[in-house]
Amino acid sequence: GQQVMQIPQYQHVQEGEDFTTYCNSSTTLSNIQWYKQRPGGHPVFLIQLVKSGEVKKQKRLTFQFGEAKKNSSLHITATQTTDVGTYFCAGRNRDDKIIFGKGTRLHILP
Amino acid sequence: DAGVIQSPRHEVTEMGQEVTLRCKPISGHDYLFWYRQTMMRGLELLIYFNNNVPIDDSGMPEDRFSAKMPNASFSTLKIQPSEPRDSAVYFCASSFGAGTTEAFFGQGTRLTVV
Repeated sequence: GQQVMQIPQYQHVQEGEDFTTYCNSSTTLSNIQWYKQRPGGHPVFLIQLVKSGEVKKQKRLTFQFGEAKKNSSLHITATQTTDVGTYFCAGRNRDDKIIFGKGTRLHILP
Repeated sequence: DAGVIQSPRHEVTEMGQEVTLRCKPISGHDYLFWYRQTMMRGLELLIYFNNNVPIDDSGMPEDRFSAKMPNASFSTLKIQPSEPRDSAVYFCASSFGAGTTEAFFGQGTRLTVV
């Protein structure tokens, strides 16, 4: 079946360093959403990308949707301790199924 | 609106017992989703409803799992009989539209089957 692969599974970075997580789908997506889940919390919506090649920014976060609409990335510049958590991508395919990646768990070292 | 409300927040039960998880979606949302989260399998979509009608239950692991949505403001996920491998955090989420707008998640129910 269709999969949405997310890498890396874990990432440890020093506070102030940059961080990137990648999402790859086996098929073309209608859109992709990104969520953040703090430890012990629930997923919270960050953003949605719809157009091929779309780039959106939220302060230190930059989101990209690939030209073929099969991959996406989330980049955080100069990480802070508040960025700790697991970042999920969720792709919607042509059949309107929403498939979550397994997430990237970000740890910040002080 | 108070957001998506799930109950109970924690449930510990013995193997073989029936477990019922409850969800109240955000008023006005027409889609409701049930997810299961474990370390091994991540976030899995179990079933979702549109206007109270089950649309896709292909993620329901087996016949021991059932979900209902008797009205627009209430849904249940039932496991009967429960097994230790059902231990997980179960999230309910609602949205206006399926995957075209953001989904709002509840706080989750942490289920432990011993």
